[in-house]
Amino acid sequence: AQSVSQHNHHVILSEAASLELGCNYSYGGTVNLFWYVQYPGQHLQLLLKYFSGDPLVKGIKGFEAEFIKSKFSFNLRKPSVQWSDTAEYFCAVNKGNQGGKLIFGQGTELSVKP
Amino acid sequence: EAGVTQSPTHLIKTRGQQATLRCSPISGHTSVYWYQQALGLGLQFLLWYDEGEERNRGNFPPRFSGRQFPNYSSELNVNALELEDSALYLCASSSSEGTRETQYFGPGTRLLVL
Repeated sequence: AQSVSQHNHHVILSEAASLELGCNYSYGGTVNLFWYVQYPGQHLQLLLKYFSGDPLVKGIKGFEAEFIKSKFSFNLRKPSVQWSDTAEYFCAVNKGNQGGKLIFGQGTELSVKP
Repeated sequence: EAGVTQSPTHLIKTRGQQATLRCSPISGHTSVYWYQQALGLGLQFLLWYDEGEERNRGNFPPRFSGRQFPNYSSELNVNALELEDSALYLCASSSSEGTRETQYFGPGTRLLVL
């Protein structure tokens, strides 16, 4: 069965620090990959997505992610975090040739200290 | 453009009762997904409706059911409520662009079972 693993459950950073959140999935076929963010008191919002093509994907608010097929990974990065990036981040996957249900990682809570 | 809307925002029920949760997708979207976000369990796929048909269901008992109406809105019904059904129930919609669909989430209904 497909699964998604986010290695970091809680990350604490100071403002201006660089961010990398890990995401690995277990599915050998083609995949669609997503990062969603849930700010405190708000609903899940799409940060970025990958379907095919350039494995380096840019999203909103300065976030980017790199798809490395050989490592089954889709890590999220941001060169310099802000206090307003404090949120929970979810990696999600579905099958590239089917779409449909998303399999989510457990989420990573990011706390940015001002 | 209005996003995905869900009602009610909060729902309090007692064990054994039934709960009905509602979702209106983004205009033009024909697919509706339901997810459960329970404490400690992350986001779990519940049900997927497209064009009025149930396309897939997650690993949940049959007392979780739903339907999609001709206007693509959807209802999730949970019968014989149990304490562990307490969770945030999220609805997402997508435009069914074949396999390259993006799911957009609503704010959720928080269900508390006493």
